[in-house]
Amino acid sequence: LAKTTQPISMDSYEGQEVNITCSHNNIATNDYITWYQQFPSQGPRFIIQGYKTKVTNEVASLFIPADRKSSTLSLPRVSLSDTAVYYCLVGPYSGYSTLTFGKGTMLLVSP
Amino acid sequence: NAGVTQTPKFRVLKTGQSMTLLCAQDMNHEYMYWYRQDPGMGLRLIHYSVGEGTTAKGEVPDGYNVSRLKKQNFLLGLESAAPSQTSVYFCASRPDSSFNYGYTFGSGTRLTVV
Repeated sequence: LAKTTQPISMDSYEGQEVNITCSHNNIATNDYITWYQQFPSQGPRFIIQGYKTKVTNEVASLFIPADRKSSTLSLPRVSLSDTAVYYCLVGPYSGYSTLTFGKGTMLLVSP
Repeated sequence: NAGVTQTPKFRVLKTGQSMTLLCAQDMNHEYMYWYRQDPGMGLRLIHYSVGEGTTAKGEVPDGYNVSRLKKQNFLLGLESAAPSQTSVYFCASRPDSSFNYGYTFGSGTRLTVV
């Protein structure tokens, strides 16, 4: 997987929009950008994946600029239940046996 | 459909004791994994298996052994537990290599070695 850099932690308040940026300067042409979410005392779960431009689902939006050297996970109007660790992974869609999750970004949402 | 089930959920061991953590999946996935998670360290891969009867070392395999005698089960063994193995252990499974990100994780086992 490509090397990624994301903030160690972020703080927010309920109702705010949260944007978590991931840098991946060495992204390859066939690499996808994938985000996982890990709630306290649970394993990670896949939340969104994109290749370019913008992807939106019921959980989050993923913004990818044209050069694809970074990406932004956007969580609209966060609630306390969005407190979690968010992992950014960059790599091919298929063909790998394992993934390296890294340390992720700890998002703490306060009342 | 239970997904990935880990047994036990909590355990306290004395230094030098042995134990086996069980991971069971009912999704007919080929790939299975054991990770450990320590504060500030993220998820680190211990061992993994890409099919029944196969195992391979991950990033931090020392002090652990694994077995995959049946496709649905992946066992993680600690032969002689050490305080450094105090951690939360997560098992995960994935169908195969056709989609790298299709992981299903269990809810974890919190192990304390005293």
